[in-house]
Amino acid sequence: EDKVVQSPLSLVVHEGDTVTLNCSYEVTNFRSLLWYKQEKKAPTFLFMLTSSGIEKKSGRLSSILDKKELFSILNITATQTGDSAVYLCAVCGIIQGAQKLVFGQGTRLTINP
Amino acid sequence: DGGITQSPKYLFRKEGQNVTLSCEQNLNHDAMYWYRQDPGQGLRLIYYSQIVNDFQKGDIAEGYSVSREKKESFPLTVTSAQKNPTAFYLCASSGQVGNTIYFGEGSWLTVV
Repeated sequence: EDKVVQSPLSLVVHEGDTVTLNCSYEVTNFRSLLWYKQEKKAPTFLFMLTSSGIEKKSGRLSSILDKKELFSILNITATQTGDSAVYLCAVCGIIQGAQKLVFGQGTRLTINP
Repeated sequence: DGGITQSPKYLFRKEGQNVTLSCEQNLNHDAMYWYRQDPGQGLRLIYYSQIVNDFQKGDIAEGYSVSREKKESFPLTVTSAQKNPTAFYLCASSGQVGNTIYFGEGSWLTVV
C-alpha cells in the first residue's frame, strides 16, 4: 500500500530557529515528491523533487530527496512567524498509467515571536 | 486567469441528503483529483481521473461518486452512504504525468 509518513507531527520553535521536517515514503512507480505549505485554505506548492541528492532552494527554504532511503527533508532557516503553517509532503506514483498523489499527515509548524 | 474553481465554498446539509461539489479547471489539465481533509489531518484521496470518461477510486472512495464527462469538470457527489461527510474537500488538477499538482480553494461541507 502506498504510504507517506511525516515527522514530527507538530513542532513549536522560536523565531530565528532553523527547523527540519521529515518525509518518508513507499509508493508504486515513484515519479516525484512534492512539498506544500497549507495555511488556512488550499495548499500552496513549494518544491517538486525528482532526483536524488539535488537540493532545491527558495529563499530560506530548501529541500532534498534521497531515493535510495525513500526520504526527503524540508529545511527552513531563520524562521519567521509567517512560516507558521501545516507543511504537507506528497509523493506521486504511476498506477496503470494514471498519476496518483499520496499525502502525508502533515507537520504543524508554529513559530513563536 | 487560469485556475481551479470549486463551489460552493461553504455548504450545510442535513444528514441523509446527497450533495454535489463542483470543480472546474481552465488549465487544460488532463488529470483531476478529489481529496478530503479532516481537522489536523493530511489529505486523503477520494477519486482521481486521468482522462475524460475514466476515473479510479482512491483510498477512501466509499460513500462518494464522481463523473468526468468533460475535461474541465470533475464533480464530486457525497452520498448519504458516507458515514462522516463533514470535512474540507479539495479538488486538484495536473498536466502531463509528473507535473506539479495545483489545488482549488476548497469546499467546507458540514452535515447536521
